[in-house]
Amino acid sequence: GQQVMQIPQYQHVQEGEDFTTYCNSSTTLSNIQWYKQRPGGHPVFLIQLVKSGEVKKQKRLTFQFGEAKKNSSLHITATQTTDVGTYFCAGQAGTYKYIFGTGTRLKVLA
Amino acid sequence: DSGVTQTPKHLITATGQRVTLRCSPRSGDLSVYWYQQSLDQGLQFLIQYYNGEERAKGNILERFSAQQFPDLHSELNLSSLELGDSALYFCASSVVDRGPLFFGPGTRLTVT
Repeated sequence: GQQVMQIPQYQHVQEGEDFTTYCNSSTTLSNIQWYKQRPGGHPVFLIQLVKSGEVKKQKRLTFQFGEAKKNSSLHITATQTTDVGTYFCAGQAGTYKYIFGTGTRLKVLA
Repeated sequence: DSGVTQTPKHLITATGQRVTLRCSPRSGDLSVYWYQQSLDQGLQFLIQYYNGEERAKGNILERFSAQQFPDLHSELNLSSLELGDSALYFCASSVVDRGPLFFGPGTRLTVT
């Protein structure tokens, strides 16, 4: 079945450093979404990418969808303590369900 | 606040028992998804409904079942509970089949 992997599983950074998480799907995706889950909270939608090669920015966050629509990345510039949490990608591959990646837990050290 | 409500917030029960988790989607959302999140794990897709009809199934155990009612709220029934069923169960809703998922606060199930 469809699998979505994310690397790294954990990342500790100093405040002000950059952070990137990568998402890889075993199948071609029709679209991909990114979510953030704060400790003790629920996943919160960040963005959706649909087109091959698409790049979207939200302030310090940059999201990219691969040309083959099988991978994606999230890059945070100059991390802040408010960026702490687990970042998940979620891919939809033609069927209705969204399969979530394994997640990357980010810790930011002040 | 996402607009998705889930009850109860916490549930503690014994092995072998049956429980029902309830979800009310955001106003206007027709699609409801159920996900299971074990301790410090990812989100495992269980099942999806759209306007009362089952749309997609994940690795949902036969002991688990769900339905979406005419008023669009959904219930997830878990029976013959085992210790390994202890987890956070999230419901999410969306307007259509593609688009942002809005998650509820979750129901934390503890099986003792």
